[in-house]
Amino acid sequence: ILNVEQSPQSLHVQEGDSTNFTCSFPSSNFYALHWYRWETAKSPEALFVMTLNGDEKKKGRISATLNTKEGYSYLYIKGSQPEDSATYLCAFTGRGSTLGRLYFGRGTQLTVWP
Amino acid sequence: DSGVTQTPKHLITATGQRVTLRCSPRSGDLSVYWYQQSLDQGLQFLIQYYNGEERAKGNILERFSAQQFPDLHSELNLSSLELGDSALYFCASSVATGSAQFFGPGTRLTVL
Repeated sequence: ILNVEQSPQSLHVQEGDSTNFTCSFPSSNFYALHWYRWETAKSPEALFVMTLNGDEKKKGRISATLNTKEGYSYLYIKGSQPEDSATYLCAFTGRGSTLGRLYFGRGTQLTVWP
Repeated sequence: DSGVTQTPKHLITATGQRVTLRCSPRSGDLSVYWYQQSLDQGLQFLIQYYNGEERAKGNILERFSAQQFPDLHSELNLSSLELGDSALYFCASSVATGSAQFFGPGTRLTVL
């Protein structure tokens, strides 16, 4: 069984605060790490796909880093806004026959208060 | 809007019945994936098709089957339905195996 862990499970912050979440995954047989944003009553929206150790990706106020050797990724949100409220999911994909399969964590539920 | 479409949006049926969920991938995407989201469970991978062929299989029950047609749309068939099959079923597509997957709006299945 392949474990993808996310922490914290939930987070409540004030508008303007910066925040970060952690995703840990198996460091062996790594192919890619995906981040998704999932708003209530919508479908998961792809944020980043990261493949290289040390990779950093940025989209507006959201950025992510990747450490494949130790098996973790951080997602950062700078100056959180109420519209950032969502569940942030990470998903691991490994090499070989499971290449297409995303192993999802349970997500971090972010609530940003105005 | 991801470009992936799923029908129906909601489905209510009884135990023992059979249903078919339909998915049309984004234009140009050859891979289609099915996921299940049950209460208290994360997104669970069911199955992947690539250009009409099964590519990867997850924790899909024998009562469930899927296929991808020549026009690349996919159907997920769920039979002998049980109460525990009530869940949100997502379809996703990608241009290639291993690349970003784009999710459809989901089909919420309720088995009574």
